[in-house]
Amino acid sequence: GAGVSQSPSNKVTEKGKDVELRCDPISGHTALYWYRQSLGQGLEFLIYFQGNSAPDKSGLPSDRFSAERTGGSVSTLTIQRTQQEDSAVYLCASRPGQGNYGYTFGSGTRLTVV
Amino acid sequence: GESVGLHLPTLSVQEGDNSIINCAYSNSASDYFIWYKQESGKGPQFIIDIRSNMDKRQGQRVTVLLNKTVKHLSLQIAATQPGDSAVYFCAESLRGYALNFGKGTSLLVTP
Repeated sequence: GAGVSQSPSNKVTEKGKDVELRCDPISGHTALYWYRQSLGQGLEFLIYFQGNSAPDKSGLPSDRFSAERTGGSVSTLTIQRTQQEDSAVYLCASRPGQGNYGYTFGSGTRLTVV
Repeated sequence: GESVGLHLPTLSVQEGDNSIINCAYSNSASDYFIWYKQESGKGPQFIIDIRSNMDKRQGQRVTVLLNKTVKHLSLQIAATQPGDSAVYFCAESLRGYALNFGKGTSLLVTP
């Protein structure tokens, strides 16, 4: 597609439930990032995928968070046993593999845990 | 640890004036910097970027200045318009690694 697509745009879930957030990067982009943005805050790095390399998971806040990227394209961020502090906007970005440029963000998924 | 921060959390300017948003970074090895604009309910939108081998880059109504000596980045917006009202983030990265963001500056343009 023309841009980074994220779904759903909004998600309300009950505490303790699992959720899956989806990201479709720009076609051909080999690098993909997940960030989290809490209300009124900056963007917090979660995880980084680059091609077929092992992902950098250093930003994941707990073992309840995981992400995968299938076929080098679509990525899914999974949060297990959601907590209220997980409420935030989850943003996905992608960039071309070659060169340090061209980061493009999606519009995010607003997650609310009640 | 290394961090990116913004000097001013909020900035109010009159329509037509020039705006300057400042950012301090602490990782002297960072080789790429970006300014993003974020409107309510939307993802960050790319404004302008600059590599560490440059000290100035201009776009349409925007200029980014990089001072590596004092590790300072600024975004200048000429003839600020109401549509420029948003939160502005600076971000840094090293060799394509994850962007490190500051908390943002809210720009409010008044008529």
